[in-house]
Amino acid sequence: DTGVSQNPRHKITKRGQNVTFRCDPISEHNRLYWYRQTLGQGPEFLTYFQNEAQLEKSRLLSDRFSAERPKGSFSTLEIQRTEQGDSAMYLCASSPRTGKPYEQYFGPGTRLTVT
Amino acid sequence: GEDVEQSLFLSVREGDSSVINCTYTDSSSTYLYWYKQEPGAGLQLLTYIFSNMDMKQDQRLTVLLNKKDKHLSLRIADTQTGDSAIYFCADHLGEAAGNKLTFGGGTRVLVKP
Repeated sequence: DTGVSQNPRHKITKRGQNVTFRCDPISEHNRLYWYRQTLGQGPEFLTYFQNEAQLEKSRLLSDRFSAERPKGSFSTLEIQRTEQGDSAMYLCASSPRTGKPYEQYFGPGTRLTVT
Repeated sequence: GEDVEQSLFLSVREGDSSVINCTYTDSSSTYLYWYKQEPGAGLQLLTYIFSNMDMKQDQRLTVLLNKKDKHLSLRIADTQTGDSAIYFCADHLGEAAGNKLTFGGGTRVLVKP
């Protein structure tokens, strides 16, 4: 069990550029979540996938944000036309379909800095 | 919407017990969690409790849940310097609420030698 992995770990970009992050969940976990954490705050939910279906989206996920999980395995989170307010840690988590589906395991996060 | 609150900071001497407190507002919470975050790292799931329980013990960790007061606590026995971190409580409102976790703002625990 290698855990949830996220790439890149750090991303610095200029305002207005597009960025894409990748999350690889724990193998055989069919549920995948994205959260955002700003400095000094707790994580906030962005979106949730069960297999390839995106079942829940937070109102925090503006139309500049898009998340996909095309084959029900890894997921990508894209931010278009980045703004300074997008600077945050983007966390991915996964949980299993059976057994203990309420246990969410987090990856190390991608820290985004928009200059 | 759901709100989860925690105190900001706790200082404790090595070897003493730590108690971190959390309150939440939604009585339909199904599970309540404690996560640990070390600097620059993701969140580590420490323990969780089902809402129909009032206590859970896991090695040095004891979770107490008071559903009437919507109060959750985490007690760490024999606190070590490696326990210095930010601790987040979170609740889960079930499948109908999108399986999401709602987190508190975190309690920074500093363990002094």
